Amino acid sequence: EAQVTQNPRYLITVTGKKLTVTCSQNMNHEYMSWYRQDPGLGLRQIYYSMNVEVTDKGDVPEGYKVSRKEKRNFPLILESPSPNQTSLYFCASSLTPDTFSNQPQHFGDGTRLSIL
Amino acid sequence: RKEVEQDPGPFNVPEGATVAFNCTYSNSASQSFFWYRQDCRKEPKLLMSVYSSGNEDGRFTAQLNRASQYISLLIRDSKLSDSATYLCVVKGRSNTGKLIFGQGTTLQVKP
Repeated sequence: EAQVTQNPRYLITVTGKKLTVTCSQNMNHEYMSWYRQDPGLGLRQIYYSMNVEVTDKGDVPEGYKVSRKEKRNFPLILESPSPNQTSLYFCASSLTPDTFSNQPQHFGDGTRLSIL
Repeated sequence: RKEVEQDPGPFNVPEGATVAFNCTYSNSASQSFFWYRQDCRKEPKLLMSVYSSGNEDGRFTAQLNRASQYISLLIRDSKLSDSATYLCVVKGRSNTGKLIFGQGTTLQVKP
């Protein structure tokens, strides 16, 4: 089954304790992206990756890191989490980032992070 | 001003009603347009792409007006299962693949 898998689904942790949210897709997609969703703000892009070893900042990258060592995986790293990073996070992938393509992005189930 | 604006609602309608959602976008260079559906803070799922000529998928009709930078979604014969948040989504011209999401419009269909 084609899917985007995120782990963990839920995490409660404390300020400053490094954490990683994993994201894996099995569709051989080139493009992967992380979003966070907050009430009243909608989904905002954190980082994206056009392909292996190619990553770039989205609209809200502060406090986050990513890596793309393999095509299928795109982990989101919070080196020193803070309470303002409490949010619902989604990983997404698509075949290519082509602006003129109407191909959809496929989203993972989401990870709900609470930073105390 | 937000890049993609939607009325957050909620829209409360009875079963069988026809309901329309609107969305405006600020970047005239935007190239691709979509409606996504999101249930109870679950993952967004593509409902339909939106084409300049307008397109229909069953009870759902999407329209795009480039001149007015306006996108619409019409749902006919509403079902209880249509209750969800509908996200207007725009992909820009920058070729970063970034999707720009509206805040979403919440629909509640009541029996």
